[in-house]
Amino acid sequence: SAVISQKPSRDICQRGTSLTIQCQVDSQVTMMFWYRQQPGQSLTLIATANQGSEATYESGFVIDKFPISRPNLTFSTLTVSNMSPEDSSIYLCSVGFFAQSSYNEQFFGPGTRLTVL
Amino acid sequence: AQKITQTQPGMFVQEKEAVTLDCTYDTSDQSYGLFWYKQPSSGEMIFLIYQGSYDEQNATEGRYSLNFQKARKSANLVISASQLGDSAMYFCAMREGSGGSNYKLTFGKGTLLTVNP
Repeated sequence: SAVISQKPSRDICQRGTSLTIQCQVDSQVTMMFWYRQQPGQSLTLIATANQGSEATYESGFVIDKFPISRPNLTFSTLTVSNMSPEDSSIYLCSVGFFAQSSYNEQFFGPGTRLTVL
Repeated sequence: AQKITQTQPGMFVQEKEAVTLDCTYDTSDQSYGLFWYKQPSSGEMIFLIYQGSYDEQNATEGRYSLNFQKARKSANLVISASQLGDSAMYFCAMREGSGGSNYKLTFGKGTLLTVNP
């Protein structure tokens, strides 16, 4: 397993501003992901954070809106840019482990609750 | 078509009884994995159990077991001896494709479980 921490745990922001969320893992992991959970909804993958290269974004998510960094194997950041109330969500960092040729574990951080006014 | 279907928006169970949470999936891949997560009101996503498509035996983790019926494309979660602390939202998720190419998790809409004393 892995211990994943996120900062901040919650924030209230004004529209038009940006917020950077940090994700720290206590061990080196190959795969790191960012998910979004809108109020009362399920989780949706925003992007895969690639170490040393640009993130891989899912359909509907773009780098200008959600720039991601991953400088090493234990840390990543997600920025929510030019925020609007529709960005109010829980943002979750997730890490995956690849064991015995089957990808059978994926863990989530505690999440960042973002409210945009 | 939805890839993960959870048909029970809400379920109630008496403390100490067993409960089954339904999950059906849709994929044409031969290799895939099925995950269950618990999300309490705090918002964190807690990994419960994993079943690989090639696993012949149903996965078990403590009080959690996964009733995997491949031909029916169902992966129901069984919680035995329910506890008050089991009250939470439960999500079923699927990873399609073999490791190394696709780590994306697709989530169902979730089932809200309430355990009554």
